[in-house]
Amino acid sequence: NAGVTQTPKFRILKIGQSMTLQCTQDMNHNYMYWYRQDPGMGLKLIYYSVGAGITDKGEVPNGYNVSRSTTEDFPLRLELAAPSQTSVYFCASRPPERASYEQYFGPGTRLTVT
Amino acid sequence: EDQVTQSPEALRLQEGESSSLNCSYTVSGLRGLFWYRQDPGKGPEFLFTLYSAGEEKEKERLKATLTKKESFLHITAPKPEDSATYLCAVNAGNNRKLIWGLGTSLAVNP
Repeated sequence: NAGVTQTPKFRILKIGQSMTLQCTQDMNHNYMYWYRQDPGMGLKLIYYSVGAGITDKGEVPNGYNVSRSTTEDFPLRLELAAPSQTSVYFCASRPPERASYEQYFGPGTRLTVT
Repeated sequence: EDQVTQSPEALRLQEGESSSLNCSYTVSGLRGLFWYRQDPGKGPEFLFTLYSAGEEKEKERLKATLTKKESFLHITAPKPEDSATYLCAVNAGNNRKLIWGLGTSLAVNP
C-alpha cells in the first residue's frame, strides 16, 4: 500500500490564483481530513469527510472547498489565494472501526502565496 | 472547552539521557489519546493510542502512559535518531475530530 499520497509537494501561487491540492489513499478508509500546519500554531482542521459524498467544516474552512466523490480521493480547492493561506497542508485518513481513531498522514504540500 | 497542552515546548538531551514529555488534557469523555512523531518536512507518523487511565504502550525506546489528566511519553536512553517533534492529540465525546497539542521539539545530541 502507498498509504496517503499528496500532490504537489511544493507550489508557489500568486495572490488571487486558484489551485487544487490532491489527496489519495489506498487503504479503503472512510474518514479523510485536511489540516494546515503553521509554525507555533499546531495542526488546524480545515475540512473532513466521513465517506463519499459527505463533507463537513473543521476549525478553519474559510477560503477552501472540498469534494469527496470517491472513497479514495479528497481534493482541497483554494479559490482566490491569499497570503494567509501560506502554510503546509496535510491530508490524513483513518479506518472506520469504532475502536480505532488513529489517523494516517500524507507527506504534505508546502504552499506559498505571494 | 476541550484543550490539550504539551510541555516542554523544546527539549535538548544528550544521547543516553532519559527524560519524559508531558501531554495534559481537559476534555469531556476521553475516547482515546494519541502520540505522533513528526520529522522535519514530513507528515506526522502514528506512534501509540491509549484509551484508559493506567494503560501503557511501548515501542523500542519509547513508552507512553496515561492518567485521568495527562499522558507521558518516556524516552529511555535516547539516540540522535529520536530527534523529532512529538505531537499529542485526543478524541473526546462524540467528536469525529482530534484535538491537537502544539508538540514538543526534541533534540538528542550525540
